[in-house]
Amino acid sequence: SQTIHQWPATLVQPVGSPLSLECTVEGTSNPNLYWYRQAAGRGLQLLFYSVGIGQISSEVPQNLSASRPQDRQFILSSKKLLLSDSGFYLCAWSSPPGRTEAFFGQGTRLTVV
Amino acid sequence: QKEVEQNSGPLSVPEGAIASLNCTYSDRGSQSFFWYRQYSGKSPELIMSIYSNGDKEDGRFTAQLNKASQYVSLLIRDSQPSDSATYLCAARNVGSWGKLQFGAGTQVVVTP
Repeated sequence: SQTIHQWPATLVQPVGSPLSLECTVEGTSNPNLYWYRQAAGRGLQLLFYSVGIGQISSEVPQNLSASRPQDRQFILSSKKLLLSDSGFYLCAWSSPPGRTEAFFGQGTRLTVV
Repeated sequence: QKEVEQNSGPLSVPEGAIASLNCTYSDRGSQSFFWYRQYSGKSPELIMSIYSNGDKEDGRFTAQLNKASQYVSLLIRDSQPSDSATYLCAARNVGSWGKLQFGAGTQVVVTP
């Protein structure tokens, strides 16, 4: 069966510090991978998606970047965090060609102070 | 702007009653629809998917899709306190690389 791992679960970072969130998927090959962010009391905003190694598409211009160094690994990064980067970050995967359900990791609660 | 819209709630439902949640979408190219349940502080959990017009039942849950009217609904029968959560509606356009467009969610509170 497929599983998705995302870490850390919670993170408190000062403004201006770097960020690295990691997500890995097991039990499937060539998944579509996604990073979403959820602000408090809001819906999910798609940040990045990837259909293959090194293939990243950005949905929203922002202070963040994403990378996919391996087939089942997806990384969300920032060089300098802003207060507005606080939120609940969720990694998700779906099977290509993308017509099936998406499944989420446990999420990372990021608080920038 | 392609949007998925839901009433934010809270929707208060007596225990044992039916909870009815609605969702509308603006992108006529949307082909797949999903309902996720999200407990406070947790990640969304898929509970239903629906692809064709009509009803789809899974246990106490029934999803309904009407593509002509561009709405999706979720019925929760025999509501339990454990059903208290935020329910997110999501839509996917078949040509969108699997990207899900989410609504803001409807909070459901089941009262004993």
